[in-house]
Amino acid sequence: SAVISQKPSRDICQRGTSLTIQCQVDSQVTMMFWYRQQPGQSLTLIATANQGSEATYESGFVIDKFPISRPNLTFSTLTVSNMSPEDSSIYLCSVVKHSRETQYFGPGTRLLVL
Amino acid sequence: GNSVTQMEGPVTLSEEAFLTINCTYTATGYPSLFWYVQYPGEGLQLLLKATKADDKGSNKGFEATYRKETTSFHLEKGSVQVSDSAVYFCALPNRTGGTSYGKLTFGQGTILTVHP
Repeated sequence: SAVISQKPSRDICQRGTSLTIQCQVDSQVTMMFWYRQQPGQSLTLIATANQGSEATYESGFVIDKFPISRPNLTFSTLTVSNMSPEDSSIYLCSVVKHSRETQYFGPGTRLLVL
Repeated sequence: GNSVTQMEGPVTLSEEAFLTINCTYTATGYPSLFWYVQYPGEGLQLLLKATKADDKGSNKGFEATYRKETTSFHLEKGSVQVSDSAVYFCALPNRTGGTSYGKLTFGQGTILTVHP
């Protein structure tokens, strides 16, 4: 498995501001992903964080709104830009390590936008 | 791409009752199948998985069998506890093999509440 930490664990933000969420893994991993879980909903994949290159975004998500960095094999950041109340969600980082498909999740960042 | 349909909740049970949460999937080939659990206020934890047809995944008293004939991966537990109260998600890869390596599609989640 992998030990994954996220910072901050929760935050309350004002409309129009931006928040950067950090994801740190205890060992090098093959792939890192960012998911969003809106209140009472399932998880939706935002993007794949690529080490040393631009992230790969899923349909409906764009880099200007959700810029992502992955400077090395153990760390990634997701920024939620120009926030609105609709961005209130749990944002989860996940990683794939050695197994081809088994994915491990961080504890999540609970964001409330007022 | 692959998809998953999960039993709607919420499910409310008394302690020691039998639990079944239904999950059916549509997929190309035979991808790995997963159950994740999300306890209140926490992130997702991998509960169990099965990597090929007829495999049975098990963990913490929970079991699920990969049934290719019925394209199902139902989650079961013989005797639930109050501490099992959580949201349960069935999941599989977006696509079997290919360029969607590692990406998962999740069911809508089933809320389980167990009363003493």
